[in-house]
Amino acid sequence: EDQVTQSPEALRLQEGESSSLNCSYTVSGLRGLFWYRQDPGKGPEFLFTLYSAGEEKEKERLKATLTKKESFLHITAPKPEDSATYLCAPLSGGSYIPTFGRGTSLIVHP
Amino acid sequence: DTGVSQNPRHKITKRGQNVTFRCDPISEHNRLYWYRQTLGQGPEFLTYFQNEAQLEKSRLLSDRFSAERPKGSFSTLEIQRTEQGDSAMYLCASSVQGNEQFFGPGTRLTVL
Repeated sequence: EDQVTQSPEALRLQEGESSSLNCSYTVSGLRGLFWYRQDPGKGPEFLFTLYSAGEEKEKERLKATLTKKESFLHITAPKPEDSATYLCAPLSGGSYIPTFGRGTSLIVHP
Repeated sequence: DTGVSQNPRHKITKRGQNVTFRCDPISEHNRLYWYRQTLGQGPEFLTYFQNEAQLEKSRLLSDRFSAERPKGSFSTLEIQRTEQGDSAMYLCASSVQGNEQFFGPGTRLTVL
């Protein structure tokens, strides 16, 4: 059974304080891994897809990386508007349905 | 706005009543998914369609839940005889084949 663990569950940062969020996964034959951002009371917003170990993608202050067992979401010099829950969702080779983690709730204080 | 839309955004109902939610996907997307999300959890898969065909349902999905996508465009999710445990955010997403999914704003269901 596919498993996803995100850590930490919650993270508080000061504006400008860089950090990383972790997504550990166990899936059969990874086909891809998605990162989403979710604001309270709203649907998840797509950020990145990573397909193979070693791949990196960037968007503004966010950079996502992928290894064979983990993915990291690096946040550089965050701003208060980066506050949200960040979800990762690996997709196994035998399925079209990604398995979502519980997310990391990020709060960035001004 | 060409994103995924869901209606209603909020629904309050009494236990035992039936409710129906609607999802309109991005027009060129052939796959449509339904998820349920409770506080502090990630989205939990319920079912998905490719065009009008329902291809997979979660083993956890109660018989009280049914979904349709009659013409391969919009979809409806019906919950019969609602229970308090059905209270959650119901999310719809769409995609082109197996690529990244784009979510709608969700329907918040409260069962009293």
